[in-house]
Amino acid sequence: KNQVEQSPQSLIILEGKNCTLQCNYTVSPFSNLRWYKQDTGRGPVSLTIMTFSENTKSNGRYTATLDADTKQSSLHITASQLSDSASYICVVSGGGKTDSWGKLQFGAGTQVVVTP
Amino acid sequence: DVKVTQSSRYLVKRTGEKVFLECVQDMDHENMFWYRQDPGLGLRLIYFSYDVKMKEKGDIPEGYSVSREKKERFSLILESASTNQTSMYLCASSPLLTGTSGWDNEQFFGPGTRLTVL
Repeated sequence: KNQVEQSPQSLIILEGKNCTLQCNYTVSPFSNLRWYKQDTGRGPVSLTIMTFSENTKSNGRYTATLDADTKQSSLHITASQLSDSASYICVVSGGGKTDSWGKLQFGAGTQVVVTP
Repeated sequence: DVKVTQSSRYLVKRTGEKVFLECVQDMDHENMFWYRQDPGLGLRLIYFSYDVKMKEKGDIPEGYSVSREKKERFSLILESASTNQTSMYLCASSPLLTGTSGWDNEQFFGPGTRLTVL
């Protein structure tokens, strides 16, 4: 069973509107959570990274939140633009000790389409 | 800027052929990775390497092998391609930062190779 679940699977929003993507995980112990943006035909690019002690982190119009107690994260896109059309992937790492490897789990992604 | 390049954007091969996918990074990163990406499944790790000539199996290594003879180059090999290996293949690299877990550091991805096996 995938330890990182994203919802919705896809969504369509009008340009200028806001939207929120969800990520629930069961990875334990937890190290950090990243949101990646993947444009069509390109590799993923990191938007934000959050560790256990961080609740909110922003990158321009993207704001990520993390609730480590409930193991939930969200990515909020404000005033969407056509260039926001992409797949957004939640990635959780955990279990690794210093200078070693733990595990990395990818969500299946949320496909966002912004229409004019 | 970090640049990760992959040898082909699109590749079509026949069942049973040996397939080589090449990946080169220009940022002197210690770690390199190969993933495959399928709809609804997300990215799945095939192999990774944390040093020249070193390799570790990921979650789905069956049917694949890798080679890392130089620090900047990481190759994925399909010894005998099969139709179920039709997929998007993504290469990534990341730096080694002491005092952190290997997965803590940002991975930089190449544009991907869409492989079709007929």
